Amino acid sequence: SQQGEEDPQALSIQEGENATMNCSYKTSINNLQWYRQNSGRGLVHLILIRSNEREKHSGRLRVTLDTSKKSSSLLITASRAADTASYFCATDDETSYDKVIFGPGTSLSVIP
Amino acid sequence: EAGVTQSPTHLIKTRGQQATLRCSPISGHTSVYWYQQALGLGLQFLLWYDEGEERNRGNFPPRFSGRQFPNYSSELNVNALELEDSALYLCASSLPGQGNQPQHFGDGTRLSIL
Repeated sequence: SQQGEEDPQALSIQEGENATMNCSYKTSINNLQWYRQNSGRGLVHLILIRSNEREKHSGRLRVTLDTSKKSSSLLITASRAADTASYFCATDDETSYDKVIFGPGTSLSVIP
Repeated sequence: EAGVTQSPTHLIKTRGQQATLRCSPISGHTSVYWYQQALGLGLQFLLWYDEGEERNRGNFPPRFSGRQFPNYSSELNVNALELEDSALYLCASSLPGQGNQPQHFGDGTRLSIL
């Protein structure tokens, strides 16, 4: 069954604008991770946020986590054409570290 | 530091054949994961190996199997290939503690079934 699900499925913005992607999940978690995938390549890890954290930053990336709403958001500020990629959230399950489940992803297009 | 490497990059097979995909993890990583990514779809978890043992398996038929070697490299074997097995197969590695650790991905093997 799907644990995490990103929203929107696709997003198109102009270079310089901010991009926000959301991830909702169903069961309690220990950690939530965000990954980026450029076309035809493997995934690249962006940020891991733990269930007791509310916000993390990494360069132009900001991730928030609201465990009461079972949701997370990824904000990319001042987007660049190179940010064009698919973005996935990945969650584990609070009851075990056995599985990390990836959502279906958000496809981001940044238009120069 | 060398990243996760996968071979071959592309593999073309016909229905009923068998395919072997290989993965070398980052040095020091003991966990290896396999995912299937069909065109336009998300990642489907296939297998997780750690310290040579299969730790978990996704919802795939038994014709998908694999192993992890003493040097932590891994093979994914797919028997009796079917058309719907055409996909990008991604391998990832991490330090122990799957949910706690970032996974580092290779660029995948694109398997095409004719």
